[in-house]
Amino acid sequence: GEDVEQSLFLSVREGDSSVINCTYTDSSSTYLYWYKQEPGAGLQLLTYIFSNMDMKQDQRLTVLLNKKDKHLSLRIADTQTGDSAIYFCAESRGTGGFKTIFGAGTRLFVKA
Amino acid sequence: DTAVSQTPKYLVTQMGNDKSIKCEQNLGHDTMYWYKQDSKKFLKIMFSYNNKELIINETVPNRFSPKSPDKAHLNLHINSLELGDSAVYFCASSQDASTEAFFGQGTRLTVV
Repeated sequence: GEDVEQSLFLSVREGDSSVINCTYTDSSSTYLYWYKQEPGAGLQLLTYIFSNMDMKQDQRLTVLLNKKDKHLSLRIADTQTGDSAIYFCAESRGTGGFKTIFGAGTRLFVKA
Repeated sequence: DTAVSQTPKYLVTQMGNDKSIKCEQNLGHDTMYWYKQDSKKFLKIMFSYNNKELIINETVPNRFSPKSPDKAHLNLHINSLELGDSAVYFCASSQDASTEAFFGQGTRLTVV
């Protein structure tokens, strides 16, 4: 996690938008991912973006990538209580790409 | 059909014991991984296997040894367990090193 940083907590009201931010350090990253972990469960891939893209939208999810600033964000529109979970940002590194580095995770709390 | 399955789901054992955690994937993926998630939910890669060849060992103590009898299995063997080994261990697989990983449900190891 030293190379991929996220804020640890985010609290939003149901129906609002959530924005989870992530910064990374390796400019050679080829893929950037968002994973969701619900209590007692494994990680599930939510979405991913290629490093040559700026934005990707998938239903309620919007991923924005600022490659110059090495900043990745995940926006969840119309946040629901079922969205409460830990969200991990991850980058897949350079040559060979055998190493995927995860951030420490952002805990999203959705208040009804 | 479970894509990546780990057994056992929970493991409680005494210090000094030797234990194994099994992992199987039925996705036909070429690369498998073991991750350790600590109490703060920090996720760190331990091993990566590609075609039965160890690719990465992230300064993990040599008490931990991955064993891959075939492409679909990557088991984690731990010798002389210590209190600090208590964590959730996740197995994962991916088609290749740069695509998204699919995670198992995790094995919660508690060393007493």
